[in-house]
Amino acid sequence: SQTIHQWPATLVQPVGSPLSLECTVEGTSNPNLYWYRQAAGRGLQLLFYSVGIGQISSEVPQNLSASRPQDRQFILSSKKLLLSDSGFYLCAWKRLALSYNEQFFGPGTRLTVL
Amino acid sequence: TQLLEQSPQFLSIQEGENLTVYCNSSSVFSSLQWYRQEPGEGPVLLVTVVTGGEVKKLKRLTFQFGDARKDSSLHITAAQPGDTGLYLCAGARSSARQLTFGSGTQLTVLP
Repeated sequence: SQTIHQWPATLVQPVGSPLSLECTVEGTSNPNLYWYRQAAGRGLQLLFYSVGIGQISSEVPQNLSASRPQDRQFILSSKKLLLSDSGFYLCAWKRLALSYNEQFFGPGTRLTVL
Repeated sequence: TQLLEQSPQFLSIQEGENLTVYCNSSSVFSSLQWYRQEPGEGPVLLVTVVTGGEVKKLKRLTFQFGDARKDSSLHITAAQPGDTGLYLCAGARSSARQLTFGSGTQLTVLP
C-alpha cells in the first residue's frame, strides 16, 4: 500500500529564517507530487506540482520554491520566511495511471512564522 | 481560473438532522472529488464522481454530480458527531494535472 510522510509536523520559525519541508511517498513509482497551503478552515491553494524528477511547476508567485531531487521526494523551501508564510502545508500525490486526478494527502506541517 | 464555490461555509446542526452541502462552478469538470478533513490532518478522499447525473452512496452520505458536470452535492442523513469536519470538493479538468478545490464547508454536529 502507498503511504505519504511529511515532516516536521509542526514548526515555529522567526521571520527571515530559511525553511525546508520534506515530503516522501512510499509504495508507488513516478507519482505526480503537489504542495498546497491551507488557511485555517479554508480550501487548499496549490503552490507547486511536479510530474517528475527535477520538473517543477509553480502556480503562485511567492517567497517559496520547490525541488524534486528523487522520484518520491518533494521539498518545499524558502531562503527568508515572511509572516505571511504561516499556514498549514500539505503534500499530496497522484498516480499517473489513475485517470480521475484523485490525490492523496500527507498529514501536513503547521508552520508558524513569528 | 476555475472557481468552485461551496455553500454553506459553516454549518452547525444537532445529531440526527439531515444536511446538504453544495459545490458549484461555471466550468465543466471531468471528475469531482469530495474530501473530509479533521483538524491538524490532511484531507481524506471520500468519493469520486465522473458521470453527469451520477449518484454515489457511502453509508449515510449521498453524493451527486450534476447533469452538466458543473456542480455537485453531498447529503448526509442522520448526522452524527463523528461527521464533524471540513468538507472539501475538488474538480479536475481532463487536460489538467491539478485539482481545483472549493473553499470548504465546516460542519459541526452537536450531540
